[in-house]
Amino acid sequence: GQQVMQIPQYQHVQEGEDFTTYCNSSTTLSNIQWYKQRPGGHPVFLIQLVKSGEVKKQKRLTFQFGEAKKNSSLHITATQTTDVGTYFCAGGGATNKLIFGTGTLLAVQP
Amino acid sequence: AAGVIQSPRHLIKEKRETATLKCYPIPRHDTVYWYQQGPGQDPQFLISFYEKMQSDKGSIPDRFSAQQFSDYHSELNMSSLELGDSALYFCASSLGSRGTNEKLFFGSGTQLSVL
Repeated sequence: GQQVMQIPQYQHVQEGEDFTTYCNSSTTLSNIQWYKQRPGGHPVFLIQLVKSGEVKKQKRLTFQFGEAKKNSSLHITATQTTDVGTYFCAGGGATNKLIFGTGTLLAVQP
Repeated sequence: AAGVIQSPRHLIKEKRETATLKCYPIPRHDTVYWYQQGPGQDPQFLISFYEKMQSDKGSIPDRFSAQQFSDYHSELNMSSLELGDSALYFCASSLGSRGTNEKLFFGSGTQLSVL
């Protein structure tokens, strides 16, 4: 079945450093979504990418969808302590099923 | 703004008991999803409903069943509970059509502990 892997599993950075998480799907996706889950919280939608090669920015966050629509990345510039949490990509196909990636836990040291 | 409501927030059950989790989607949202998340794990897709009909099925055990009612709320019924069923169960809703991926709005989850 479809698998969505993310690397790294865990990243510890100093506040102000950059952070990137990578997402790879075993199958071609129709779209990819990114969610953030704070410790003890629920996943919160960040963005959706649909087009091949698409790049979207939200303040310090940059999201990219690969040309083959099988991979994606999230880059955070100059991390802040409020960025702490687990970042999940989630891959969609021609169904209502959204498969979550394995997640990257980001820790930010002040 | 109204969010996805899940009840109960916490549930403690014994092995082999049954449990019912409830989910009230955001008003006018027509699609409901159930996910299971173990400690330190990613949310695992269980099942989804669009317009009260099952639209997709994931890794939902045969011991579990779910349905979406006429008022769009959904219930996840879990029988013959096992220790391994202990997890955080999320419900999410979206506004969309069958076969599409719209952004999901998650509830706060039900923490199920099976002793």
